[in-house]
Amino acid sequence: GESVGLHLPTLSVQEGDNSIINCAYSNSASDYFIWYKQESGKGPQFIIDIRSNMDKRQGQRVTVLLNKTVKHLSLQIAATQPGDSAVYFCAENPFSGGYNKLIFGAGTRLAVHP
Amino acid sequence: AAGVIQSPRHLIKEKRETATLKCYPIPRHDTVYWYQQGPGQDPQFLISFYEKMQSDKGSIPDRFSAQQFSDYHSELNMSSLELGDSALYFCASSRTPQETQYFGPGTRLLVL
Repeated sequence: GESVGLHLPTLSVQEGDNSIINCAYSNSASDYFIWYKQESGKGPQFIIDIRSNMDKRQGQRVTVLLNKTVKHLSLQIAATQPGDSAVYFCAENPFSGGYNKLIFGAGTRLAVHP
Repeated sequence: AAGVIQSPRHLIKEKRETATLKCYPIPRHDTVYWYQQGPGQDPQFLISFYEKMQSDKGSIPDRFSAQQFSDYHSELNMSSLELGDSALYFCASSRTPQETQYFGPGTRLLVL
């Protein structure tokens, strides 16, 4: 069946370090992946996305890597800041019927310590 | 920039009551999605609309219904509420069904 999961439920890092959050997906037909950040009591906030015809995409301080061979997705945050503390979700879009239903993973909590 | 607007932000209901949640998408976004997020859980897709027609359906109970209106806002109607319906309900919108979904702040529903 379709599922998106995460390897680590909690990640603690020191301010200024780089963070890597991992995600595994099972639907090899999925061709669009998104990372969202969710702070307590707020809605998921779009961070970065990547389509299956790419293996890397960079944004401001963030990089998403896609390895289709092993169905693995990662989010790298450079120079992690206290404001990066949140739960991070990867989401998969299987484009079922051409519509953008998202399947979310379980989430990883990122805790940044000063 | 304008974001997705949801109302109310908080709602308390008794069991077996009804609730209506509203969502106003980002201007010029024609696709709306509803998600339910239980405590400590990931968001679960409920239903989506494109150009006022239902486009996809997920794990939405039969007690729930939704629609999208001519101005593209959407309402999620929930009847015969149960304790297990207590959750955060998010609406998201996208410019087209194939583009990025942007989420609203959510409605926190508590059923007592």
